[in-house]
Amino acid sequence: GAVVSQHPSRVICKSGTSVKIECRSLDFQATTMFWYRQFPKQSLMLMATSNEGSKATYEQGVEKDKFLINHASLTLSTLTVTSAHPEDSSFYICSARVGTDLNQPQHFGDGTRLSIL
Amino acid sequence: AQSVAQPEDQVNVAEGNPLTVKCTYSVSGNPYLFWYVQYPNRGLQFLLKYITGDNLVKGSYGFEAEFNKSQTSFHLKKPSALVSDSALYFCAVRDDMNNRKLIWGLGTSLAVNP
Repeated sequence: GAVVSQHPSRVICKSGTSVKIECRSLDFQATTMFWYRQFPKQSLMLMATSNEGSKATYEQGVEKDKFLINHASLTLSTLTVTSAHPEDSSFYICSARVGTDLNQPQHFGDGTRLSIL
Repeated sequence: AQSVAQPEDQVNVAEGNPLTVKCTYSVSGNPYLFWYVQYPNRGLQFLLKYITGDNLVKGSYGFEAEFNKSQTSFHLKKPSALVSDSALYFCAVRDDMNNRKLIWGLGTSLAVNP
């Protein structure tokens, strides 16, 4: 149980393109989803917390207009990297938590490797 | 301020030997501690957590961790390592005074040699 599906797994596109990444909870409802960015050999950097039906909470230093997050249903959150540039190339990972208990573990998607040429 | 330290970037161990991946933390309130594992090009998988109760926590794949309040540590252990345990391990902490998000360690790469 508690499966999170992330799509696509890999994207290669030209600079200036906008890229949408989907994160779905397949067998549970996720009130809260998280978006992370991971650089090679580095830890996870939380970008934003996505709450169903409300605006996402962005971490300091993350551009809201650059990384658009939509959490329109209890099973789907999307991250759109707008007008992507080579410096946006990274591994993006989403996660979701079952229920509202903050001590429940997060369940992660398999990540999206974004490469901007 | 909350923080998590994983003092070793890399741990090497021979298959069949016990393994330990270290984690220390600093929080204001009571700590809630988690271990996750990440295989190459994959997301993270939850291994175990400490919330309250017994200091020795048992988790997935034969892993366990011991919460030590006096040393503010939560080291991950396994009695007998497998080659398939080779992966990146992350420790994370949340405290009950700042409960919005997890604070993540930088990760420890575990290599189990046959």
